[in-house]
Amino acid sequence: DIQMTQSPSSLSAFVGDRVTITCQASQHISDYVNWYQQKPGKAPQLLIYDASKLETGVPSRFSGSGYGTDFTFTISSLQPEDIATYFCQQYDHILTFGQGTKLEI
Amino acid sequence: QLHLQESGPGVVKPSETLSLTCAVSGASIRSFTSSWGWIRQSPGKGLEWIGSVSNRGSTSYNPSLKNRVSISVDMSKDHFSLNLTSVTATDTSVYYCARLEAGGLDVWGDGATVVVSS
Repeated sequence: DIQMTQSPSSLSAFVGDRVTITCQASQHISDYVNWYQQKPGKAPQLLIYDASKLETGVPSRFSGSGYGTDFTFTISSLQPEDIATYFCQQYDHILTFGQGTKLEI
Repeated sequence: QLHLQESGPGVVKPSETLSLTCAVSGASIRSFTSSWGWIRQSPGKGLEWIGSVSNRGSTSYNPSLKNRVSISVDMSKDHFSLNLTSVTATDTSVYYCARLEAGGLDVWGDGATVVVSS
């Protein structure tokens, strides 16, 4: 299986901060990476697909980049409603997820 | 708007079979070329992909569960189902169904908590 190593596991930031989360794949996976937001008690929500494409309806402060093995997810200006856990996911082969980043203010 | 909803027993005895159904509403399941998947989440293991089924009935399973899992689709009833055999306490999780579109899970159910306990 392809492993996705996500960091950090938790992150504390202020409203208005720029926040960055990274995922490293255990092998080359092109741009086959998605990013999700999960709020407590809720299902994950797709934010970014194909490493950098914004899902319809998702605010433009969310963005993604990367290719190959190294991927980055960014919130350009953190808002209070962004408090959640974020996951990366690869789909080059069997789907696998990163371990998540819990974002706190 | 497409909506998915899981249903099934909340408690399953060890060694028995866990069976869940995901009802698709808001559109007919046959109107999509998507696949339909199951994912579970437990505190100790994070998000784990279980497998998926296409509208043609072709399946893909996580190798770690392959010997115990089967997923099927019933387009006449607009639902798809998960069976996981020989369950143990480690199968206790929140189980989600979702639509798999081009590698992304873009529509999710609310999740169903399943506890394996005698």
